Amino acid sequence: DQQVKQNSPSLSVQEGRISILNCDYTNSMFDYFLWYKKYPAEGPTFLISISSIKDKNEDGRFTVFLNKSAKHLSLHIVPSQPGDSAVYFCAAPRLPGSARQLTFGSGTQLTVLP
Amino acid sequence: GAGVSQSPSNKVTEKGKDVELRCDPISGHTALYWYRQSLGQGLEFLIYFQGNSAPDKSGLPSDRFSAERTGGSVSTLTIQRTQQEDSAVYLCASSHTAGNSPLHFGNGTRLTVT
Repeated sequence: DQQVKQNSPSLSVQEGRISILNCDYTNSMFDYFLWYKKYPAEGPTFLISISSIKDKNEDGRFTVFLNKSAKHLSLHIVPSQPGDSAVYFCAAPRLPGSARQLTFGSGTQLTVLP
Repeated sequence: GAGVSQSPSNKVTEKGKDVELRCDPISGHTALYWYRQSLGQGLEFLIYFQGNSAPDKSGLPSDRFSAERTGGSVSTLTIQRTQQEDSAVYLCASSHTAGNSPLHFGNGTRLTVT
């Protein structure tokens, strides 16, 4: 029972353009969402988060959008840089109010082409 | 400052043998987690330790898996009688207790069962 789904296993974009990574969820009780980035042979690192009381959170080149009615969130990276090439995971708490126990999507491999 | 440290980084073992994986969390982090990532899959929650409370073992896939955390710091994940389907990257993470502080992951142990 995968409650967090990333349906695109890979995405390629040109340097300088926008990268849009998508994530869908099934549990309407989720109240907090996170994006992690993972380079090969390294552990995931936290990137950005959003509470369900918001529909947008921005941090530099990274913006996360949340559409609760569609149970959909997306991560926008603009402008994309070659160093952004990594696997991106969206995640949500297994239990509402406990953001530390996370359910992860299967990830999207982003490749930014120079 | 030191991050989460895991050892070994790679482990190859024969089917049926027992293995122990070690995690040193960030000093001062009271919450510790084990996740695993099988090939092409997202991160799967295994077990969670919080201070002196009883651990949340709800993610352990079978009774061949166990974990302990000694002195509220170092944790060991033990897999008995390993099977080929246990092959995965085992990731440890730690976090502060308060709020929605993100998880800090180690680089993982890649386990291969032959």
